[in-house]
Amino acid sequence: SQTIHQWPATLVQPVGSPLSLECTVEGTSNPNLYWYRQAAGRGLQLLFYSVGIGQISSEVPQNLSASRPQDRQFILSSKKLLLSDSGFYLCAWTRGSGNTIYFGEGSWLTVV
Amino acid sequence: GQQLNQSPQSMFIQEGEDVSMNCTSSSIFNTWLWYKQDPGEGPVLLIALYKAGELTSNGRLTAQFGITRKDSFLNISASIPSDVGIYFCAGPSTTSGTYKYIFGTGTRLKVLA
Repeated sequence: SQTIHQWPATLVQPVGSPLSLECTVEGTSNPNLYWYRQAAGRGLQLLFYSVGIGQISSEVPQNLSASRPQDRQFILSSKKLLLSDSGFYLCAWTRGSGNTIYFGEGSWLTVV
Repeated sequence: GQQLNQSPQSMFIQEGEDVSMNCTSSSIFNTWLWYKQDPGEGPVLLIALYKAGELTSNGRLTAQFGITRKDSFLNISASIPSDVGIYFCAGPSTTSGTYKYIFGTGTRLKVLA
């Protein structure tokens, strides 16, 4: 079966510090990978998606970037965090030709 | 762009009651997905619907894919305290590219013991 795991689960970072959130999918190959942000009490905002290694599409201009160094690994980064980057970040995956999206456990980021 | 409207936004119910929530759109969807999200956790897929008219159950949960392909409902029978959470509907976009998913704003369910 397929699993998705993201870490760290919780992160408190000072303004101006770097960020790295990691996500890996197991049990499948060539998945589509996604990063979403969910503000408290609000819906899901798509940040990035990737259909293959090194292929990143950005949905929202912002202080964040994403990379896909390996087929089943997706990384969300920032060089300098802003207070507004605080939120709940979700990694997700679908099969290459699939129509069902599966989410990781989520990562809480608090920028102080 | 496509939107999914969920109702109700929130509901308080007594333990043991049945719950019904729905999701509508002005455009068609080819897949309807229902998720539950507990506080501080990622959404968990409850039911996936792939065919218009399809009625699918998962334990006490039942969901249907509307015939018009513009709506779906989720029912929970005999609610229990652990049903508390936010329920989202979702579907892959049919207008914005095959990789994008549209999510409803969620129904927040609170169960009173």
